[in-house]
Amino acid sequence: DSGVTQTPKHLITATGQRVTLRCSPRSGDLSVYWYQQSLDQGLQFLIQYYNGEERAKGNILERFSAQQFPDLHSELNLSSLELGDSALYFCASSVGQGAYEQYFGPGTRLTVT
Amino acid sequence: KNEVEQSPQNLTAQEGEFITINCSYSVGISALHWLQQHPGGGIVSLFMLSSGKKKHGRLIATINIQEKHSSLHITASHPRDSAVYICAVRRGSQGNLIFGKGTKLSVKP
Repeated sequence: DSGVTQTPKHLITATGQRVTLRCSPRSGDLSVYWYQQSLDQGLQFLIQYYNGEERAKGNILERFSAQQFPDLHSELNLSSLELGDSALYFCASSVGQGAYEQYFGPGTRLTVT
Repeated sequence: KNEVEQSPQNLTAQEGEFITINCSYSVGISALHWLQQHPGGGIVSLFMLSSGKKKHGRLIATINIQEKHSSLHITASHPRDSAVYICAVRRGSQGNLIFGKGTKLSVKP
């Protein structure tokens, strides 16, 4: 158990809908990273937050947004969902922003039908 | 060309064999990570390296910064080692990881 929690575990929704994925980092970790793992693209970095502020952006679509709250949990919002958004979404946390160990949550499996 | 390349893509071994998985990268990095992903999907961090060698139990990870190459070794492999092993690099001061496509390892009893 990494200490990082993600909810829900599984999510099945229809095209065009909007969903929110939630992540709680390990106690004491200030950085949260969101990653997407799809069959064709593998693991890709989406976005990073550090202590409530956005720090880095990767291949995140405009239909996706995220935020980190004062209690350090983070939410990833996915809207106008398409079939191609079906993937495993992982969050990871680390104590700082740079070269620190990252601890991964169990992931949320999103299926868009 | 991917910034992080792993080989082999797939590997089948007999229990007890010594296993090596390779990772090459084409960018400057501040750290390299080896991750393990089990069939259930969860990802576990095995090592974070910026130089030299690290050992944890039957796992050994090495990195050669000049050659931009890292290896993950598993000694006395066991069926429970069956998983996908993923190499990931961190560039500069950025925290986010760039991933290889993974090596699927199957260890037969």
